[in-house]
Amino acid sequence: ILNVEQSPQSLHVQEGDSTNFTCSFPSSNFYALHWYRWETAKSPEALFVMTLNGDEKKKGRISATLNTKEGYSYLYIKGSQPEDSATYLCALKDMDSNYQLIWGAGTKLIIKP
Amino acid sequence: DSGVTQTPKHLITATGQRVTLRCSPRSGDLSVYWYQQSLDQGLQFLIQYYNGEERAKGNILERFSAQQFPDLHSELNLSSLELGDSALYFCASSVDVGLDLTDTQYFGPGTRLTVL
Repeated sequence: ILNVEQSPQSLHVQEGDSTNFTCSFPSSNFYALHWYRWETAKSPEALFVMTLNGDEKKKGRISATLNTKEGYSYLYIKGSQPEDSATYLCALKDMDSNYQLIWGAGTKLIIKP
Repeated sequence: DSGVTQTPKHLITATGQRVTLRCSPRSGDLSVYWYQQSLDQGLQFLIQYYNGEERAKGNILERFSAQQFPDLHSELNLSSLELGDSALYFCASSVDVGLDLTDTQYFGPGTRLTVL
């Protein structure tokens, strides 16, 4: 059974500080990795889709990197703001899973003012 | 606003009952996915339909069923409800069947089901 792991489970960060967290996945039949942001009382929203080893994507203060050989992706947030508080989900698309997204449990990020 | 609509927003019912949740995908999207999010749990994939046909099944109970209609809206039917079925049910849609690397899922606002 494919397992996508995210760490840490939750994270408290002071406003203005930068932070990062990890998504780990089996790398044997990698196809794509999706990052989503899920704010409380809202629905998940797509952030990035990453497909190639060494990929780096950026949207404002948020960026992500991908290492398919070792099976991990990092999400970075620079200069955290209160509006960054959310749960960040990664999801693996893999040939073994019949191209379905396999979701991690998420990292809950809380920005302290 | 993702363009995916779900009704109702909230649903309160009793054990043993049957409910239907409805989802309309974004215009042009052919795939519909159903997810369950229980308290303190992550997103659990239930089922996917593509252009009216069942495409993939996840952890969907036999008491649950779904279908996608010719106009591409989808319904998730939950029967013989138990207390443990209380959860947030999300519908998502995407353009393609899922083989496209960048095929992104767009989520609806969810239906919160409470079983008493």
